[in-house]
Amino acid sequence: QLQLQESGSGLVKPSQTLSLTCAVSGGSISSGGYSWSWIRQPPGKGLEWIGYIYHSGSTYYNPSLKSRVTISVDRSKNQFSLKLSSVTAADTAVYYCARFPVSLGYWYFDLWGRGTLVTVSS
Amino acid sequence: QSALTQPASVSGSPGQSITISCTGTSSDVGSYNLVSWYQQHPGKAPKLMIYEVSKRPSGVSNRFSGSKSGNTASLTISGLQAEDEADYYCCSYAGSSSVVFGGGTKLTVL
Repeated sequence: QLQLQESGSGLVKPSQTLSLTCAVSGGSISSGGYSWSWIRQPPGKGLEWIGYIYHSGSTYYNPSLKSRVTISVDRSKNQFSLKLSSVTAADTAVYYCARFPVSLGYWYFDLWGRGTLVTVSS
Repeated sequence: QSALTQPASVSGSPGQSITISCTGTSSDVGSYNLVSWYQQHPGKAPKLMIYEVSKRPSGVSNRFSGSKSGNTASLTISGLQAEDEADYYCCSYAGSSSVVFGGGTKLTVL
């Protein structure tokens, strides 16, 4: 059974770059033609879509974050990653990775990681 | 790209039915049958409950149903149970290969 697990620094200083990785286990990240996404949730607030990487490698980002976000895939390690630059306290959130079968024509998130809290503070 | 509008909270007694609304615009909810709903219990990851407005993934109870009229999508939970108490989020395709979430609704089972 496919599982997703986020990892990365839990504390990032303001103006620095947040880096997270989502490890895919129980199957290959390259099989099935799936796309992979990041979503975040500030403490006590709602969900915000960050972006996704298509199975072909094309990326699509939330316009409000586009200038600061990079999502990439490392197929040899069966994982995908998120980088968010120039962070501020407003970027403090639980970050989720999720499977997004958009390349198969489905616009929903059908499998989620457990999430990881990232705090931006000096 | 503004968040979809959901009521902050709804409540109901066990056995009753409740409906959560999700209002968007003609650029998102109103133009595409690509609305999904997620259930989130405290400290847990969201779980897909409904996709493409009214379809249920395998394993989701048929007490959960979805619909859409114009720019507003709705999630209805019938036969309310204590385990349904959670936060619920809608999500819609918003054009230009993007998606947008609703602000979330806290469901309290009285």
